[in-house]
Amino acid sequence: SQTIHQWPATLVQPVGSPLSLECTVEGTSNPNLYWYRQAAGRGLQLLFYSVGIGQISSEVPQNLSASRPQDRQFILSSKKLLLSDSGFYLCAWSATRAGDTQYFGPGTRLTVL
Amino acid sequence: AQSVSQHNHHVILSEAASLELGCNYSYGGTVNLFWYVQYPGQHLQLLLKYFSGDPLVKGIKGFEAEFIKSKFSFNLRKPSVQWSDTAEYFCAVIVYNTDKLIFGTGTRLQVFP
Repeated sequence: SQTIHQWPATLVQPVGSPLSLECTVEGTSNPNLYWYRQAAGRGLQLLFYSVGIGQISSEVPQNLSASRPQDRQFILSSKKLLLSDSGFYLCAWSATRAGDTQYFGPGTRLTVL
Repeated sequence: AQSVSQHNHHVILSEAASLELGCNYSYGGTVNLFWYVQYPGQHLQLLLKYFSGDPLVKGIKGFEAEFIKSKFSFNLRKPSVQWSDTAEYFCAVIVYNTDKLIFGTGTRLQVFP
């Protein structure tokens, strides 16, 4: 069966510091991968998605970037964190068929101070 | 742009009460529809989904949802809630043949024994 991992689970970072969040998927190949952010009182907002290695689509212009160095690895990064980057970050995967169900990881709670 | 509305932000019920959570979306074409649930301290997980066929779909834990195309709605129902249903519920829509899952802002359900 497929599993999705995210780390770290919790992160507290100062403003201006770099960020690297990692997501890996097991038990499937060539998945679509997604990064979402969930802010308090708001729904999940799609940040990036990837349909293959090195292929990244950005949905929201911002301080963050994403990379997919391997088939089942998806990384969310920032060179300099802002206070507004605080939130709950979720990684998800789906089969390559468009419109298919997305399955979510446990998430990373990021607090920028 | 497509959007999803969940009109009930916070619902409080006693055990055995019936539940209906509203979800409306704005898109005139074909969509796939989902309800996700996030129990306290747990992953976001799929509750049920509708792709095609019978517009009344059944999910886990006794939940069901009805797709009414003419009303652009996909309301979630459960005839008798339990304390363990306390969670946050998200409606989501994906436009057919795309990869972009659009979430509502969520409904927090509290069930008291």
